[in-house]
Amino acid sequence: DTGVSQDPRHKITKRGQNVTFRCDPISEHNRLYWYRQTLGQGPEFLTYFQNEAQLEKSRLLSDRFSAERPKGSFSTLEIQRTEQGDSAMYLCASSGGLAGIIANTGELFFGEGSRLTVL
Amino acid sequence: SQQGEEDPQALSIQEGENATMNCSYKTSINNLQWYRQNSGRGLVHLILIRSNEREKHSGRLRVTLDTSKKSSSLLITASRAADTASYFCATNTGGFKTIFGAGTRLFVKA
Repeated sequence: DTGVSQDPRHKITKRGQNVTFRCDPISEHNRLYWYRQTLGQGPEFLTYFQNEAQLEKSRLLSDRFSAERPKGSFSTLEIQRTEQGDSAMYLCASSGGLAGIIANTGELFFGEGSRLTVL
Repeated sequence: SQQGEEDPQALSIQEGENATMNCSYKTSINNLQWYRQNSGRGLVHLILIRSNEREKHSGRLRVTLDTSKKSSSLLITASRAADTASYFCATNTGGFKTIFGAGTRLFVKA
């Protein structure tokens, strides 16, 4: 396994367009996270999946944002009607977990991120 | 919201010197983790310390945790130019969410 992969690595779009990012986690991991990181800041939590279930969404995630993990494997993060304030690095991370155990006390494995620039 | 706050925001040292970064947090935690991020890249996990541990070592890294003060420190000994990166502390309160601080930018001059 080559780790968490994200695609595309870079996306430049015009304001008002829709964009979609894909994340392929480490195959045996059942937990998947999306974070957003702006320049000079730490990653901010956006949302979390355990298998295919989306268990929490941050208030940062407006109704223009939607994330899915349809079969409990890869995930997509879509931003509709992009705004300049959406420009950021979108990071995906995964972690392992045993079935039935909700608490996550382990390390996160991050992808290289998808950098979005909205013009 | 940021749970952890790192100090200093930026640190510049000479190769061979030790680098110390501090992290303070607000609520009780299950564990605290340190991550490293090279410019434009993803984060890489360095070390995890549980709330019932006080000190942990990994290679040139030493992490301490003081739960009474809600603080942690990361010491990198004998720094190298390749250690130049941003370092983030991250806290887990027992659930699924890991919250990151704003980071310390370390620059090691060769």
